[in-house]
Amino acid sequence: DSGVTQTPKHLITATGQRVTLRCSPRSGDLSVYWYQQSLDQGLQFLIQYYNGEERAKGNILERFSAQQFPDLHSELNLSSLELGDSALYFCASSVGTANTEAFFGQGTRLTVV
Amino acid sequence: QKEVEQDPGPLSVPEGAIVSLNCTYSNSAFQYFMWYRQYSRKGPELLMYTYSSGNKEDGRFTAQVDKSSKYISLFIRDSQPSDSATYLCAMKETSGSRLTFGEGTQLTVNP
Repeated sequence: DSGVTQTPKHLITATGQRVTLRCSPRSGDLSVYWYQQSLDQGLQFLIQYYNGEERAKGNILERFSAQQFPDLHSELNLSSLELGDSALYFCASSVGTANTEAFFGQGTRLTVV
Repeated sequence: QKEVEQDPGPLSVPEGAIVSLNCTYSNSAFQYFMWYRQYSRKGPELLMYTYSSGNKEDGRFTAQVDKSSKYISLFIRDSQPSDSATYLCAMKETSGSRLTFGEGTQLTVNP
């Protein structure tokens, strides 16, 4: 167990809908990272938050947004969902900002039908 | 062309074999090199990371980085069935936190 908790584990929703994925980082970690893993794109970095502030942005679509709350948990919001958004979404956390020793959660499997 | 190339396999070896996993990259600014292990339906788990060139050993695992060739390797000695997983290489520049991953190599160690 990495100490990073993601909910829900599975999510099935229809095209055009909006969903929210939740991540609780390891105790003491200030950085949260979001990744998307799909069969054709592999593991892609989406966005990083550090202590409530956006720190780095990767290949995140405009339909997607994230935030980190004062208690350091983070949410990833996916809207206007398309079939191609079906993927595993991972959250990772680390103490600092460097992302050299991050711990991953178990992921949320999103299926858009 | 992808920034990081990794042979997806699958790779199948007998128990006790030495396994060699490799990645090549094109971005000369990459300075941190990581190896992750991912079991089916689980999150990636960091095995080890190295900075710049050189070797690093941790138990049965050895990571090597050759920046002149833009080539990194992970060696697994005395491989065990429990090592069966997908192995992902990842890299980042000195500044920033964006990791670029290879697509992963699926390894099966047969008893």
